[in-house]
Amino acid sequence: SQKIEQNSEALNIQEGKTATLTCNYTNYSPAYLQWYRQDPGRGPVFLLLIRENEKEKRKERLKVTFDTTLKQSLFHITASQPADSATYLCAGGGQAGTALIFGKGTTLSVSS
Amino acid sequence: EADIYQTPRYLVIGTGKKITLECSQTMGHDKMYWYQQDPGMELHLIHYSYGVNSTEKGDLSSESTVSRIRTEHFPLTLESARPSHTSQYLCASSEYKTGAQETQYFGPGTRLLVL
Repeated sequence: SQKIEQNSEALNIQEGKTATLTCNYTNYSPAYLQWYRQDPGRGPVFLLLIRENEKEKRKERLKVTFDTTLKQSLFHITASQPADSATYLCAGGGQAGTALIFGKGTTLSVSS
Repeated sequence: EADIYQTPRYLVIGTGKKITLECSQTMGHDKMYWYQQDPGMELHLIHYSYGVNSTEKGDLSSESTVSRIRTEHFPLTLESARPSHTSQYLCASSEYKTGAQETQYFGPGTRLLVL
């Protein structure tokens, strides 16, 4: 079955460092990948979208890559801050009208 | 902050009761969704709608039903709640454009506990 897999282990880093989160997809080729942030007790909030023909996308301190050879997306937060602590979800999309497939998310904890 | 609202935010109810989870959005989005999310698990799509009078079942088998009589409103109903329905329910919406990637806007969720 089509799957989006994220590292289930929490990522703990120090303030100021770069956090790198991994998203792997299996058994399908998403036309695009999205990254969402989810805080405890809240719904996910959209952060970035990258299409399969794009290598890299940036938005402020965020950077996402899409490697169709490795079937992987990397999500980077540079100069991380304690306020970046949250769970980050990766979601894969197909053609318009098909459902997004979400990963379980990776919890990031940034300590000061 | 997205203009999508869910009520109630928390609900504790006994087995066998009928419940309706409300979801409303003011963005004029055609497409709306209901997801179920358990702690540490991925979101599972249970229902979605392309617009008024359109409802579809998602990937996760669910005993719930939905309706879409107005664009802005997409309630989810459980006719007879069971402890297995205990979960967080997330509503989302998106613009529906042919060929376009769909960014979804989520509500805050309803946390349901069935005793």
